[in-house]
Amino acid sequence: DAGVTQSPTHLIKTRGQQVTLRCSPKSGHDTVSWYQQALGQGPQFIFQYYEEEERQRGNFPDRFSGHQFPNYSSELNVNALLLGDSALYLCASSLVGGNYGYTFGSGTRLTVV
Amino acid sequence: GENVEQHPSTLSVQEGDSAVIKCTYSDSASNYFPWYKQELGKGPQLIIDIRSNVGEKKDQRIAVTLNKTAKHFSLHITETQPEDSAVYFCAASIKAAGNKLTFGGGTRVLVKP
Repeated sequence: DAGVTQSPTHLIKTRGQQVTLRCSPKSGHDTVSWYQQALGQGPQFIFQYYEEEERQRGNFPDRFSGHQFPNYSSELNVNALLLGDSALYLCASSLVGGNYGYTFGSGTRLTVV
Repeated sequence: GENVEQHPSTLSVQEGDSAVIKCTYSDSASNYFPWYKQELGKGPQLIIDIRSNVGEKKDQRIAVTLNKTAKHFSLHITETQPEDSAVYFCAASIKAAGNKLTFGGGTRVLVKP
């Protein structure tokens, strides 16, 4: 049973560019959440997708957007990259009405230069 | 919004000793408190969780306690082993509010052989 799969694992982008990160949730899960983890800090909630709609959003600017597909997979898009966007981006999946628990992927390490 | 404080930020223990990590939360509506272990290059892995209707939970060498009145919860690791070395995060969430996680800042645990 595959867990949460994220791609790519590492990415280097130039300031001002746009990036798309991808996530496949754990089998049986229907909800995908994205978190940003800066070096040495705890993950920060970006947003959550369920039934292909953004259900909750954290304190992140509109440059951060997402999408969920009918197969529950998800994308995180970041426009106009800033140096401060350099971080580990984590995808977590869960099941609505389930036992609360999240399963995290290993993340995508984004470096903005 | 919810704020989670975690202490200490680093913890060094001798193999076989116990380790204790403490967290406080601010939102009395929080009702789910997971603990995650994050190893280098990996995403957070759930190690134990507790719900607000339970005061203590134990799983082999790991235990978590919750004091709702004081709004704090703790992770206890007994008989520590070198493989327990990692960064540990506490988190809090409100099930009815979509269950987004608010993380503490993390504790780097080093178990010395």
